[in-house]
Amino acid sequence: NAGVTQTPKFQVLKTGQSMTLQCAQDMNHEYMSWYRQDPGMGLRLIHYSVGAGITDQGEVPNGYNVSRSTTEDFPLRLLSAAPSQTSVYFCASRRGGWTYEQYFGPGTRLTVT
Amino acid sequence: KNQVEQSPQSLIILEGKNCTLQCNYTVSPFSNLRWYKQDTGRGPVSLTIMTFSENTKSNGRYTATLDADTKQSSLHITASQLSDSASYICVVSSSRGAYGNNRLAFGKGNQVVVIP
Repeated sequence: NAGVTQTPKFQVLKTGQSMTLQCAQDMNHEYMSWYRQDPGMGLRLIHYSVGAGITDQGEVPNGYNVSRSTTEDFPLRLLSAAPSQTSVYFCASRRGGWTYEQYFGPGTRLTVT
Repeated sequence: KNQVEQSPQSLIILEGKNCTLQCNYTVSPFSNLRWYKQDTGRGPVSLTIMTFSENTKSNGRYTATLDADTKQSSLHITASQLSDSASYICVVSSSRGAYGNNRLAFGKGNQVVVIP
């Protein structure tokens, strides 16, 4: 099992550009999530999905879109990048049920200039 | 206001020594509490998960305790190694609502540096 994979690992964007951060998992997990991690702050939930075709907003959804067409993939789209979106982004997945383990990907470090 | 507070924010310890990290939370109703280890430049990795009825759980040299009455948890690292240098994140889950990941409250982490 590869677990949770993310691409790219690093990305630099100019303000106003758009891009998609890729996330895939091979564990057949129902739940997938996107978080951002900023210095001095805890992980913050951007969007999540409880299954293919079902997504919902988290704590900080503005400026981001998601879709879940398959169980395996959960891409995060930045519509028009802003410097405030400079951050490290983590994708995570887990089975349904609150005591199941949540597995994180290795992260994507995004810089918006 | 952050619902999960961790202390100390950072600490430096000598290799071979023990240390204890603290996590206080206000999340309610409580479902479970998790400790994660995050190495620099990597994603968090789970160390322990504890539910309401569990007051201690070990994973090798890591031992987590939970006092659900006082809403406190601790993570004890025994005989520290250089590889223990990392951020340790406390995450508390609420059982409110039927679905959704928005019920996870993350602490900011305890940054541990182990020196030889």
